[in-house]
Amino acid sequence: ETGVTQTPRHLVMGMTNKKSLKCEQHLGHNAMYWYKQSAKKPLELMFVYNFKEQTENNSVPSRFSPECPNSSHLFLHLHTLQPEDSALYLCASSQDPPVGTSDDTQYFGPGTRLTVL
Amino acid sequence: AQSVTQPDIHITVSEGASLELRCNYSYGATPYLFWYVQSPGQGLQLLLKYFSGDTLVQGIKGFEAEFKRSQSSFNLRKPSVHWSDAAEYFCAVKTSYDKVIFGPGTSLSVIP
Repeated sequence: ETGVTQTPRHLVMGMTNKKSLKCEQHLGHNAMYWYKQSAKKPLELMFVYNFKEQTENNSVPSRFSPECPNSSHLFLHLHTLQPEDSALYLCASSQDPPVGTSDDTQYFGPGTRLTVL
Repeated sequence: AQSVTQPDIHITVSEGASLELRCNYSYGATPYLFWYVQSPGQGLQLLLKYFSGDTLVQGIKGFEAEFKRSQSSFNLRKPSVHWSDAAEYFCAVKTSYDKVIFGPGTSLSVIP
């Protein structure tokens, strides 16, 4: 499999549930990102991991918990979410800083459409 | 602080017509510039990018964009639009030290 994959593609959960989103990149990158995309709003950066270390947390509520066990995998653990958390969650990866002829362009997965009831 | 604006929220064009999507950025130096496209229910796909050099950049699917420093713009163009180009288009900027900032997007509809 190539590029950035995300599972599941669709998720419906109640406010008391616990679920996890998974992202895997097959590009050999060292940085991974979680974004939230809500209707009528710009893309919101949530978390950044570089070499498995979290380098950015944009004031995201603690009900979202990221995990990066290695540079190819990124998880977003969800618990006690609110209906306003319903959105498309996008994962991206990049090589940051660039190495050789590479650049630090971000490449995106297809997203997980999350609905919180 | 850096920012990205896309003045047109929604654009409708006829199939075969030309297209120009506007993007303006606010930053003191030359940023890295990107255009992404998002089809319904999908992630973002990179169309093209500008880092340095020739200010006219060619991308995939017949798109091109021109960086104009004097106008702080990076407009996306296509000479003849196809029905499959209907999607959301995002302009993005990245400075040497900051993460990527995305514009609010322009939704493109194509009339057969």
